Amino acid sequence: GESVGLHLPTLSVQEGDNSIINCAYSNSASDYFIWYKQESGKGPQFIIDIRSNMDKRQGQRVTVLLNKTVKHLSLQIAATQPGDSAVYFCAETGGSNYKLTFGKGTLLTVNP
Amino acid sequence: DSGVTQTPKHLITATGQRVTLRCSPRSGDLSVYWYQQSLDQGLQFLIQYYNGEERAKGNILERFSAQQFPDLHSELNLSSLELGDSALYFCASSALAGGPGNIQYFGAGTRLSVL
Repeated sequence: GESVGLHLPTLSVQEGDNSIINCAYSNSASDYFIWYKQESGKGPQFIIDIRSNMDKRQGQRVTVLLNKTVKHLSLQIAATQPGDSAVYFCAETGGSNYKLTFGKGTLLTVNP
Repeated sequence: DSGVTQTPKHLITATGQRVTLRCSPRSGDLSVYWYQQSLDQGLQFLIQYYNGEERAKGNILERFSAQQFPDLHSELNLSSLELGDSALYFCASSALAGGPGNIQYFGAGTRLSVL
């Protein structure tokens, strides 16, 4: 069945370094992808999205890369800050079912 | 602040009881979604309403039901509660029914503890 998963459940980086969070998906009909950030005690917060007709999209300090050939997307965070510490989820939707399917999440810890 | 309001923030109840969770979507949003987040299952989609009508259903138990009212706020009813229903319940809203570009914005959640 459809699934969205993450390669790394935890990621620890030094403040100022770049972070890369990876996500694999299995539904070839997926045409829209979203990254969310969830801080402790809060709801998921939208970070950036990308449609399947694109392979890269940039936001403020964040970049999402999409590789449809291998069904993989990544979130790159530049100059990671302590405030970036959170769980990051990728989510995908597509085909006739617009349900958003979430991956299990990656815990990013930024060390000062 | 996402603009999505959920009440209550915390709910403690006993097994067998029934509770109602409330969600007010962002102004102008027609879709409301309910999700359950637990440690072992991650973020699971339960149900979606669009402009008052049920639009999509996920792994929602028969003991759970939801509705969206004319003013577009939504309620999730959980009955015959079991210990395993303890979780965070999130509401999200979006402008459209679905499709690319339809960003879902999440509320802060209701933490349900069943004792």
